[in-house]
Amino acid sequence: GENVEQHPSTLSVQEGDSAVIKCTYSDSASNYFPWYKQELGKRPQLIIDIRSNVGEKKDQRIAVTLNKTAKHFSLHITETQPEDSAVYFCAASMRNNDMRFGAGTRLTVKP
Amino acid sequence: EAGVAQSPRYKIIEKRQSVAFWCNPISGHATLYWYQQILGQGPKLLIQFQNNGVVDDSQLPKDRFSAERLKGVDSTLKIQPAKLEDSAVYLCASSLGIGAPFFGPGTRLTVL
Repeated sequence: GENVEQHPSTLSVQEGDSAVIKCTYSDSASNYFPWYKQELGKRPQLIIDIRSNVGEKKDQRIAVTLNKTAKHFSLHITETQPEDSAVYFCAASMRNNDMRFGAGTRLTVKP
Repeated sequence: EAGVAQSPRYKIIEKRQSVAFWCNPISGHATLYWYQQILGQGPKLLIQFQNNGVVDDSQLPKDRFSAERLKGVDSTLKIQPAKLEDSAVYLCASSLGIGAPFFGPGTRLTVL
């Protein structure tokens, strides 16, 4: 099955700065890449996703980029705010939608 | 729109006991997932159903874990017997098919 690696495991930024989280996947057949945000004690919530036929997608302060050749994708958060503090997970799936997750990145935004 | 429902929300058992979790997916979602999330880790896929058929159970410890999805709607996940390392949050999720899964609130299992 798919193997997803995520870096860094922890990330601390100053409010207003940008944050970047990177993931790599092993199976070139993977074609769908969602990102989730999980606050303490809560369920993971989808924040943005991208399909393999697109290189970049943006939604307000959040963007995701995909490099199929290198098999990696990244989450970019601009103008970070304290409420962005959470654990972020990347995931990857193939045609049968078997969703595999990375280990997570704990983002802390310092006021 | 109602979300994914799970019960119970919390369960404490002793090792070697049995436990079962229930999940009701979002109406119309054909794909149902069970994930295990150990504290500080990412969700680990245990089993994926498409309607009432199993798509992927490669990471399910079949000597102690079992799951079923009768009639292609609700699902149950069972652990028998439980071990200390099974302490985790068990997340059920569902999706229409090709798309992001939506997660339920999870069941927090503590094995003593």
